[in-house]
Amino acid sequence: GDSVTQMEGPVTLSEEAFLTINCTYTATGYPSLFWYVQYPGEGLQLLLKATKADDKGSNKGFEATYRKETTSFHLEKGSVQVSDSAVYFCALNAGNNRKLIWGLGTSLAVNP
Amino acid sequence: DTGVSQDPRHKITKRGQNVTFRCDPISEHNRLYWYRQTLGQGPEFLTYFQNEAQLEKSRLLSDRFSAERPKGSFSTLEIQRTEQGDSAMYLCASSADDLGQGFTDTQYFGPGTRLTVL
Repeated sequence: GDSVTQMEGPVTLSEEAFLTINCTYTATGYPSLFWYVQYPGEGLQLLLKATKADDKGSNKGFEATYRKETTSFHLEKGSVQVSDSAVYFCALNAGNNRKLIWGLGTSLAVNP
Repeated sequence: DTGVSQDPRHKITKRGQNVTFRCDPISEHNRLYWYRQTLGQGPEFLTYFQNEAQLEKSRLLSDRFSAERPKGSFSTLEIQRTEQGDSAMYLCASSADDLGQGFTDTQYFGPGTRLTVL
């Protein structure tokens, strides 16, 4: 079945460091890919998405490129801030069944 | 656009009691989803409505769980005879057609209802 694998956390970085959170997927068909973020005490928020191969999603300085050849959708940010501390979830939607399939989440802590 | 709202935000109950949660989606969204999230895990799909029709139910959803969306607007999720294993965050999301994106849904989530079964 469809699945998403994320790198395990927690990830701890210093402010202004470069961030990469790896995400790979297995899916039949042509899924759409998403990154959601969950800040402490808050609900899940859509961070960015990509709907087809080679699309790049971007938001708030975060980017991820849909790589069909490597079945990946890695999240990157060039310079993290303390306010980026949160849990990041990679997810896919493989079409007609409409439900999102999720990774386990990666916790990020950014220290000043 | 007030976003997806859920009520209550927290519920503590004793084993064996029934509980009901409510979700109000974004007003123009015709699709509504319920997920469950336990600590350290990603959300797990429970069920999905398109308008008032419940189109899919996960095998995770035992007979003790029932969801409704009677008028195609708000939805309720009821758990009967709660068990300690039901303790989790229950998440509601809604979506509408992403025009030009085919079947792609961008789902927007509410804050969740945290259930604790003692």
